[in-house]
Amino acid sequence: EVQLVETGGGLVQPGRSLKLSCVASGFTFNNYWMSWTRQAPGKGLEWVASITNSGGSTYYPDSVKGRFTISRDNAQNTLYLQMNSLRSEDTATYYCTRFYYWGQGVMVTVSS
Amino acid sequence: DIVMTQAPLSVSVTPGESASISCRSSKSLLHSNGITYVYWYLQKPGKSPQLLIYRMSNLASGVPDRFSGSGSETDFTLKISRVEAEDVGIYYCGQLLENPYTFGAGTKLELK
Repeated sequence: EVQLVETGGGLVQPGRSLKLSCVASGFTFNNYWMSWTRQAPGKGLEWVASITNSGGSTYYPDSVKGRFTISRDNAQNTLYLQMNSLRSEDTATYYCTRFYYWGQGVMVTVSS
Repeated sequence: DIVMTQAPLSVSVTPGESASISCRSSKSLLHSNGITYVYWYLQKPGKSPQLLIYRMSNLASGVPDRFSGSGSETDFTLKISRVEAEDVGIYYCGQLLENPYTFGAGTKLELK
């Protein structure tokens, strides 16, 4: 059974940093691109970042480019999202996803 | 960026009847490899998105065959035949052809 389990969310002040983790199981992690997608409260889905299976290439939308960094540790079957210079509009539930499978999500609240 | 436009934004269906949701993309989602990169997801209340249809017309594992996807290069339809209570939620179409990956605003399905 495929499982994606996110951790690391919480309340953080504007301008500060937070790092999310996602532990994957039930599939060969290093065979797949992985992504983060978020959903602001009561809103739709917004893609945040993707990384190739080797970790050699990463992709971001303009809304987070330069502030967020996606990375992975294939030996530990773990995906990360380093979020810097956080803004109130980054408040959302963040999902670790292969787009076929999704984690349960972790809430990030940016507020003073 | 590719814009995904869904219609209607909400639909009310009598159990046992069928429902259709439309999604239109601002650019062809047909890749040169012959695959059309449109995906359909259902987000049940309080849950993560779950994949229903991938690559326009392929049923995801474990999804009832009451669900079907069809379309052309820019116009897509999700059809639900014999709607059941468990089908309630928000349906999203999404494109994974090119970055930034984008999603429709969602269609809320309720029961009459």
